[in-house]
Amino acid sequence: AQRVTQPEKLLSVFKGAPVELKCNYSYSGSPELFWYVQYSRQRLQLLLRHISRESIKGFTADLNKGETSFHLKKPFAQEEDSAMYYCALYGANAGGTSYGKLTFGQGTILTVHP
Amino acid sequence: KAGVTQTPRYLIKTRGQQVTLSCSPISGHRSVSWYQQTPGQGLQFLFEYFSETQRNKGNFPGRFSGRQFSNSRSEMNVSTLELGDSALYLCASSFRGRTTEAFFGQGTRLTVV
Repeated sequence: AQRVTQPEKLLSVFKGAPVELKCNYSYSGSPELFWYVQYSRQRLQLLLRHISRESIKGFTADLNKGETSFHLKKPFAQEEDSAMYYCALYGANAGGTSYGKLTFGQGTILTVHP
Repeated sequence: KAGVTQTPRYLIKTRGQQVTLSCSPISGHRSVSWYQQTPGQGLQFLFEYFSETQRNKGNFPGRFSGRQFSNSRSEMNVSTLELGDSALYLCASSFRGRTTEAFFGQGTRLTVV
């Protein structure tokens, strides 16, 4: 079974402060991990994927297989970062049970105060 | 290119009725997945279709069904609606379903009264 846990439902920081959104996963194989973001009144969109190891909008995330974590970090938060963030897992080597299926965490609402 | 389009955006139905939701994927995408989003359960996978075939199914009762047409457009149907079916239903399209990137639609907000 695969599971994604985001321990914080709500996270508040001030503008310019560092932010870290936590994500832990459970999966027996080698997962592919993603961060999705949903801004107010907008559709869910991909922010980051671990295989590309890129930085988007100043956010980075590193897959730590030892700790089974994929935390999202940004050194200096901006007000426009306020949104709902979802960590998601794709079990690529689960055979037929993986087709088209992303397993999502419960999401973390990030609020960046001015 | 045009994004994933879901229609209608909002629906209000009565318990016991049935409902059909539609999803038009990005042009060229052959895989369509459906998710139910609720405050309590979050985003849960319903099923995935590829080339008109259901390849994967989540843990939902048989009242939830779907299909995909030859142009990759997909519909999902919920019969005998219950109050607990009130949710935002999202569809996502990708090229093959096993790829690592899915594009989501705006969703259909279903309210069952």
